[in-house]
Amino acid sequence: ETGVTQTPRHLVMGMTNKKSLKCEQHLGHNAMYWYKQSAKKPLELMFVYSLEERVENNSVPSRFSPECPNSSHLFLHLHTLQPEDSALYLCASSQDRTGGYEQYFGPGTRLTVT
Amino acid sequence: SQQGEEDPQALSIQEGENATMNCSYKTSINNLQWYRQNSGRGLVHLILIRSNEREKHSGRLRVTLDTSKKSSSLLITASRAADTASYFCATDEDSNYQLIWGAGTKLIIKP
Repeated sequence: ETGVTQTPRHLVMGMTNKKSLKCEQHLGHNAMYWYKQSAKKPLELMFVYSLEERVENNSVPSRFSPECPNSSHLFLHLHTLQPEDSALYLCASSQDRTGGYEQYFGPGTRLTVT
Repeated sequence: SQQGEEDPQALSIQEGENATMNCSYKTSINNLQWYRQNSGRGLVHLILIRSNEREKHSGRLRVTLDTSKKSSSLLITASRAADTASYFCATDEDSNYQLIWGAGTKLIIKP
C-alpha cells in the first residue's frame, strides 16, 4: 500500500448524474494531485493543491470541480460528464509540489460515463 | 505538453533477460523520475535522478541520465514475470515544477 486511498474504485455514471471521487493520504504530505489517464496517452495533470490551496489548473473543463478541505483529503466533484471523460482518475500526493519529490499514487477510480 | 517520450512503446522479452527502456525530453530539467504501473492500477515510484547525476541503482534497476542528449534509460536486469508492467518517465520543466509524463513503455516478461 502506498498510503494513498481512493474511493470508489469503479464508477459508472450517466451524463446527467453528479458524483464525487474521494482521495485520502496518510503520509503527512503537503501537495495533492488529480490526474486523468486515458488509454495510450500520457498522464494528464488536472489539478494541484499545495497546503490546501489550488496552485495549478490545467484548463480542465468546469464539469470537473476539485475540493481540498484539508491537507489529507481531496475530492473531485463530477457533473454532466461526457463519454470522452471515461478514464482512470488517479490521485497522488508528495511532500512538496516541486519535481524533486516522488509522488505516491492511489489505486485509481475507473470511471465510465454512459 | 508532453515532455518525456518513452521508447519502445512495447517490449516483450523472456524471463531472465535484461530489459532496457529509454526516455527522451525536450527542455532542461532539474529531476527525472521513473514509475511502474501494473495493469491499470496506481503508479509506483522507482527512482529519481537529479540533473547533476549520471547514474543511479536500486536493486535490479539501473537508471542513467545524459543531459547533453536529453535522454534517460531504465535497465532492469534478470527480469521476472512480476516485472510485467508499464513504465513511465516524468520530468520537471526547468521553470515549472509540474511533472510532465510520457505515454509509457509496456513491458511483457514471458515465462
